[in-house]
Amino acid sequence: EQQVQQSPASLVLQEAENAELQCSFSIFTNQVQWFYQRPGGRLVSLLYNPSGTKQSGRLTSTTVIKERRSSLHISSSQITDSGTYLCAMGLYQGKLIFGQGTKLSIKP
Amino acid sequence: DAGVTQTPRHEVAEKGQTIILKCEPVSGHNDLFWYRQTKIQGLELLSYFRSKSLMEDGGAFKDRFKAEMLNSSFSTLKIQPTEPKDSAVYLCASSFDWGGNYAEQFFGPGTRLTVL
Repeated sequence: EQQVQQSPASLVLQEAENAELQCSFSIFTNQVQWFYQRPGGRLVSLLYNPSGTKQSGRLTSTTVIKERRSSLHISSSQITDSGTYLCAMGLYQGKLIFGQGTKLSIKP
Repeated sequence: DAGVTQTPRHEVAEKGQTIILKCEPVSGHNDLFWYRQTKIQGLELLSYFRSKSLMEDGGAFKDRFKAEMLNSSFSTLKIQPTEPKDSAVYLCASSFDWGGNYAEQFFGPGTRLTVL
């Protein structure tokens, strides 16, 4: 069964600290997508990162296909970064399998 | 430029009722996905269309769940009959398949279904 494992399950940081979220896959994949979701909110695509390193503002994603893992680094965290971060891996025909998410809480 | 839209945003149904959820994908996208999200199971794929053709009919969900795509800009998900265990958020997503099998997916706001 194809699986996506995310760690940690939850993370509490002080404002301005950096966050590092991890994702590992049970199979090789060349499609990785990171999402953000607030409680009751829409799933927002953050980064689509099949391989290598991709940056968007304070977000940096690094995917190493041969090691079946991806990470999301959030620099200088802000209170508004609080929420759940989900990573997903792509299977054939564009299907996505999601991890259970990392719940991030940023304290003032 | 409109993203994925879904209606209704909230639906309350009695057990045994038939409900229909609606989705409009991003204009120009040719792949459309229906997912279900619960706290326990997380996100699960229900159905998947490529250029209006049904590619995935949901496996364990095919029993009472039927997704249709009558044209490239509109899809429905029918649940018949509803059961309390169907209470969840139903998400629609779309992407543009450029022929490489993988493409970034964009999600709608979801429909929160409560079955009493």
